[in-house]
Amino acid sequence: QKEVEQDPGPLSVPEGAIVSLNCTYSNSAFQYFMWYRQYSRKGPELLMYTYSSGNKEDGRFTAQVDKSSKYISLFIRDSQPSDSATYLCAMKNYGQNFVFGPGTRLSVLP
Amino acid sequence: ETGVTQSPTHLIKTRGQQVTLRCSSQSGHNTVSWYQQALGQGPQFIFQYYREEENGRGNFPPRFSGLQFPNYSSELNVNALELDDSALYLCASSLELGEDTQYFGPGTRLTVL
Repeated sequence: QKEVEQDPGPLSVPEGAIVSLNCTYSNSAFQYFMWYRQYSRKGPELLMYTYSSGNKEDGRFTAQVDKSSKYISLFIRDSQPSDSATYLCAMKNYGQNFVFGPGTRLSVLP
Repeated sequence: ETGVTQSPTHLIKTRGQQVTLRCSSQSGHNTVSWYQQALGQGPQFIFQYYREEENGRGNFPPRFSGLQFPNYSSELNVNALELDDSALYLCASSLELGEDTQYFGPGTRLTVL
């Protein structure tokens, strides 16, 4: 079992849909959770950063962490074609380095 | 403010050769991390440099080595290239050691034939 798992997709949705992206993990020591967006042929770009359990909202993006289930989610409201990218989750314990999931490829169709 | 830059953009090498990849960190950032991203996978941590010293290493063999210079720019060297080394190599810089927010460069696409 990999330490961090994501459905690789591709996930195709119509413009305006609510998108749900998820990661599961096996290391209960993880405390810091991030979501990155990576466009084709580009480096990852940080979208959301949360510590421990709970929700965090930033514009159209909401990140949720459920440590009891070892499950994190990223919701995108009113999805746009410009949201088409690969979404990577990453997580770590204090003082450690980030472990990334394999990414989910999202396509938002106009 | 200049972002993280990497060179070259693309590189083609043959098995057994050596390669050097370069990274200029974002202005004022003293910590640089290197990642390998194979096709369809997430980035895997190679190592991190802080103030010219290696500070943490992932599960990569010694033929992966690095340097950080006084201006905090960095190099990744890979010796005895193998076909499986073909990947996107990403550099990320952080303002300080322990800072979780890191900024990635566009990467260098290495192809080993």
